[in-house]
Amino acid sequence: QQQVKQSPQSLIVQKGGISIINCAYENTAFDYFPWYQQFPGKGPALLIAIRPDVSEKKEGRFTISFNKSAKQFSLHIMDSQPGDSATYFCAASISGAGSYQLTFGKGTKLSVIP
Amino acid sequence: EAQVTQNPRYLITVTGKKLTVTCSQNMNHEYMSWYRQDPGLGLRQIYYSMNVEVTDKGDVPEGYKVSRKEKRNFPLILESPSPNQTSLYFCASSLSLWAGGANTEAFFGQGTRLTVV
Repeated sequence: QQQVKQSPQSLIVQKGGISIINCAYENTAFDYFPWYQQFPGKGPALLIAIRPDVSEKKEGRFTISFNKSAKQFSLHIMDSQPGDSATYFCAASISGAGSYQLTFGKGTKLSVIP
Repeated sequence: EAQVTQNPRYLITVTGKKLTVTCSQNMNHEYMSWYRQDPGLGLRQIYYSMNVEVTDKGDVPEGYKVSRKEKRNFPLILESPSPNQTSLYFCASSLSLWAGGANTEAFFGQGTRLTVV
């Protein structure tokens, strides 16, 4: 059972455009939502993360929007650059003793064309 | 330099020949885990370890074994590899997963591409 659904599977955006990747979750106990970025030949690396007590978090050109009632969160990449071309994974986990799993979405391959 | 090191990076083996993929971290992290990455399926957790001698199954543990005898090392063992275990494998570690906040960042190794023929 997939607990975190990610869309789209692939995305092509022109340089300077906005890239938007969406994720939806089912388990209301999730309380930590990170996004990981993976370049070809590399392991994933943490990009940005959010907790459900805020609706938005921004770091440079990257913004997470969080909608707790809809159980959805999304990654927005403003002014997308060719260097942003990578695979992006959303994830979710539960804080607190006894919970040790980070559940990932299936990933979105982003291509930013010049 | 803080890092997670996997070896080997590439491995081609034959069905049934036991193999071990090593993983080592130098950050004194408590939590370590193994994932496999397959096209269209994303990252799926195989096993994880909360500390030395404490391990548990993830979502796809069949055909794999792990051990955590030392805090820094978390090897993945395939006792009798089969072609359906051909995949890209990642080891990851984090300071903690349940403390919340900054302690939960997962650091990934470079990956091991395994082909079983």
